Amino acid sequence: GDSVTQMEGPVTLSEEAFLTINCTYTATGYPSLFWYVQYPGEGLQLLLKATKADDKGSNKGFEATYRKETTSFHLEKGSVQVSDSAVYFCGFVLETSGSRLTFGEGTQLTVNP
Amino acid sequence: SQTIHQWPATLVQPVGSPLSLECTVEGTSNPNLYWYRQAAGRGLQLLFYSVGIGQISSEVPQNLSASRPQDRQFILSSKKLLLSDSGFYLCAWSPYTREETQYFGPGTRLLVL
Repeated sequence: GDSVTQMEGPVTLSEEAFLTINCTYTATGYPSLFWYVQYPGEGLQLLLKATKADDKGSNKGFEATYRKETTSFHLEKGSVQVSDSAVYFCGFVLETSGSRLTFGEGTQLTVNP
Repeated sequence: SQTIHQWPATLVQPVGSPLSLECTVEGTSNPNLYWYRQAAGRGLQLLFYSVGIGQISSEVPQNLSASRPQDRQFILSSKKLLLSDSGFYLCAWSPYTREETQYFGPGTRLLVL
């Protein structure tokens, strides 16, 4: 069935380190891909998205490229900050699903000063 | 601009008691509405979604129900809470058009004792 597999956490990095959070998907169709971020005690916020192959979504220094050949949408940031500490969710929407998001399990990121 | 509200923010309820969580959206019409649950340390599970008044789709069998009495109001209910109903409940909306991005509320933290 349709699913998202995310890199298991927790991930702990030092400030200014390079971040990669892996995400791969299995979908019966052509999905739009999303990364959402959840800061402590809050709801989810859209971080970035990509709607077709080879599109790159970017926001707040984070980037992810829609790779159809590897069914992946890995999240990267060149230099993380303490304020990036949060849970990151990868997800997709299929055109046929009525905008229902399929999420991964989430990856907890902690950035230490 | 559009805003989404959830209340209460936090709730502690005894096992066997009823539940009613409310979500309202402002600044848009005919939104798609969603209820998600996030259990402690786990990912997001879609519980219900609605594409219109009185139209509810359930994703998983459970002890909960949802209703949409008005266009921008979505209610999550239970007649008798179980310990396993504890979690963080998130409401979300997306535009009625093909726009696939979902916008999340601040969430309700429910603890069943």
